[in-house]
Amino acid sequence: GENVEQHPSTLSVQEGDSAVIKCTYSDSASNYFPWYKQELGKGPQLIIDIRSNVGEKKDQRIAVTLNKTAKHFSLHITETQPEDSAVYFCAAGSGGSEKLVFGKGTKLTVNP
Amino acid sequence: NAGVTQTPKFRVLKTGQSMTLLCAQDMNHEYMYWYRQDPGMGLRLIHYSVGEGTTAKGEVPDGYNVSRLKKQNFLLGLESAAPSQTSVYFCASRTSGAETQYFGPGTRLLVL
Repeated sequence: GENVEQHPSTLSVQEGDSAVIKCTYSDSASNYFPWYKQELGKGPQLIIDIRSNVGEKKDQRIAVTLNKTAKHFSLHITETQPEDSAVYFCAAGSGGSEKLVFGKGTKLTVNP
Repeated sequence: NAGVTQTPKFRVLKTGQSMTLLCAQDMNHEYMYWYRQDPGMGLRLIHYSVGEGTTAKGEVPDGYNVSRLKKQNFLLGLESAAPSQTSVYFCASRTSGAETQYFGPGTRLLVL
């Protein structure tokens, strides 16, 4: 089955710096890669996703890149702000599967 | 449109007691999921359902049962709670036409 590894488990940056979180997956059939943000005491919320027919996707300060050959994808947050502090999860899924497999999460702290 | 709701928000159980967690969604989604979240373990799938009257096992199903008698509701039962089931439980749902899962706010369960 699919296995998703996520690094780092914790990340601390200064406000205004960039943050990068990386994930690798094992199943070459996976073609859908979402990123979720979980604020303290709340449920995860989708912030961006990418499909395997696209190499990069941007949404304002957030971008995701995908390298299908290497089976890894990354979340990039630029100009970080204190409200970006949260736990971020990557996940992988395929059109033929009902399930997503999640990474273990990265706790991002943005220091003012 | 409330999205995905979960009841209760918090519960304390004694070892051996039983309880049912309720998930409800008003988005007419076909698929529903139960996850548990433990520190450093990410989100692990317990059971899921691809439609009314259907259920399937996920990664960590032991000690839990589920039922999907109505399309909008997905119940997670613990017949005899154990301290190892202390966790935060999240429900999610999605439509059959897209992979994006929408999460509820979570239920925090403490088993003493």
